[in-house]
Amino acid sequence: DGGITQSPKYLFRKEGQNVTLSCEQNLNHDAMYWYRQDPGQGLRLIYYSQIVNDFQKGDIAEGYSVSREKKESFPLTVTSAQKNPTAFYLCASRSGTGLTYNEQFFGPGTRLTVL
Amino acid sequence: DAKTTQPPSMDCAEGRAANLPCNHSTISGNEYVYWYRQIHSQGPQYIIHGLKNNETNEMASLIITEDRKSSTLILPHATLRDTAVYYCIVRVGPGTSYDKVIFGPGTSLSVIP
Repeated sequence: DGGITQSPKYLFRKEGQNVTLSCEQNLNHDAMYWYRQDPGQGLRLIYYSQIVNDFQKGDIAEGYSVSREKKESFPLTVTSAQKNPTAFYLCASRSGTGLTYNEQFFGPGTRLTVL
Repeated sequence: DAKTTQPPSMDCAEGRAANLPCNHSTISGNEYVYWYRQIHSQGPQYIIHGLKNNETNEMASLIITEDRKSSTLILPHATLRDTAVYYCIVRVGPGTSYDKVIFGPGTSLSVIP
């Protein structure tokens, strides 16, 4: 089945540790995105990438880092510099980067809790 | 970047039409309006999108005002499974390296039996 996978679904880490969240897609999509969602809030864009080996900061990139070495993978590292990392993290992908319509598909999310 | 505003919550009786409004008064000429919904603790699901014209698909209808400053999502016959948070979002910078979507807090729709 085609889709986006995020693992793990739940993740616990101690304060001060870096942690990497996985996002893989087999939809052959060019663009990939990372969002953060806090309870009762909307989604905020962390980083996005339109093409391999290129990515852009979103609205809340501080304390996060990403890489895009392969088209199908866009891992997000939550560093110890992120002051409040406990949140629900969503990865998304979208085909194409042109003007035409292209729906954004979301993964199931990873709930990160920092103890 | 264009932003959207939506009422924080709405109720709708089961079987009736749900009309969800959205203001996007600063939208630019090439910015699309998208609607997604999110059921608790799941990834958002695409519903519909539009640029200028009204749109309809099997899930919903989208009515965009002529000046494009606002739109309304219509769920024609709401069911209990339509209870979710609905996001009206704008895609900015289409076709550029800054192509992205901006989410707001959304409208929490409760469908009541």
